[in-house]
Amino acid sequence: AQSVTQPDIHITVSEGASLELRCNYSYGATPYLFWYVQSPGQGLQLLLKYFSGDTLVQGIKGFEAEFKRSQSSFNLRKPSVHWSDAAEYFCAVGPPYNQGGKLIFGQGTELSVKP
Amino acid sequence: GAGVSQSPSNKVTEKGKDVELRCDPISGHTALYWYRQSLGQGLEFLIYFQGNSAPDKSGLPSDRFSAERTGGSVSTLTIQRTQQEDSAVYLCASSLARVGGQDTQYFGPGTRLTVL
Repeated sequence: AQSVTQPDIHITVSEGASLELRCNYSYGATPYLFWYVQSPGQGLQLLLKYFSGDTLVQGIKGFEAEFKRSQSSFNLRKPSVHWSDAAEYFCAVGPPYNQGGKLIFGQGTELSVKP
Repeated sequence: GAGVSQSPSNKVTEKGKDVELRCDPISGHTALYWYRQSLGQGLEFLIYFQGNSAPDKSGLPSDRFSAERTGGSVSTLTIQRTQQEDSAVYLCASSLARVGGQDTQYFGPGTRLTVL
C-alpha cells in the first residue's frame, strides 16, 4: 500500500538551531516527492519538490531536502531556524510520470520554535 | 498572479442541511483536486478532475458527497444531508498536469466547515 510516514508529530527547536524533519514513504516506484508548510488558518504552501536528478533539492525560505532511494526517505532540513518557521510541515508523494494524480500525505509534523 | 481561491472561507451549518463549496483554480490549470483535512484523519484525497471529467473519485467518503467542474475551471463540492463527522477543512488544489509529468499542485486557503 502507498503511504507516507512522518515519525515526529511535534518537534521543538530553539531559534537559530538546525532542523531535520523526517519523512519515509512506501510506493510502487520512485514517486514525486514534496514538502508543504501550513501556517495556522492557512492553506498549504509548497516548500520544495523532487522529480528526478540531483537528490539534494533546494526550496524556499532556506529549506532543503535530500532524497535517499535506499532508505525511501525525503528528509527536510534547515541549518538555522527562525521563529517564523513555526508551522505544520507535510511530506507528500505523487505518481511519477503522470499528468496529474492524487497526493498522499503524511500526518504532519508540528514545529515549535523557542526564543 | 492569482492563486487558487475558495469560498466561503468559513461555513457553519446545521446537521441535515446541504452545503456547496466552491473552488476557482489557477488560470490555465487543467487538473483540480479536492482534499479534506480533519483532526483524526489528516489530509485525505477526495476527488480529482482533468478538465471536466473526474478520472479518480475514489476518496469521496459516501454518496452524500459529489463534485462537478464546468468549463474546465470552477468546481463545486456538494455535501448533502451534512453530518457532524463532515466537519473539516476542505482544501482545493490545481495543477498544470502537463504532458511528461513533473506535476505540482498548488493549494487554496481552504473552507472550514462546521456542522452543528
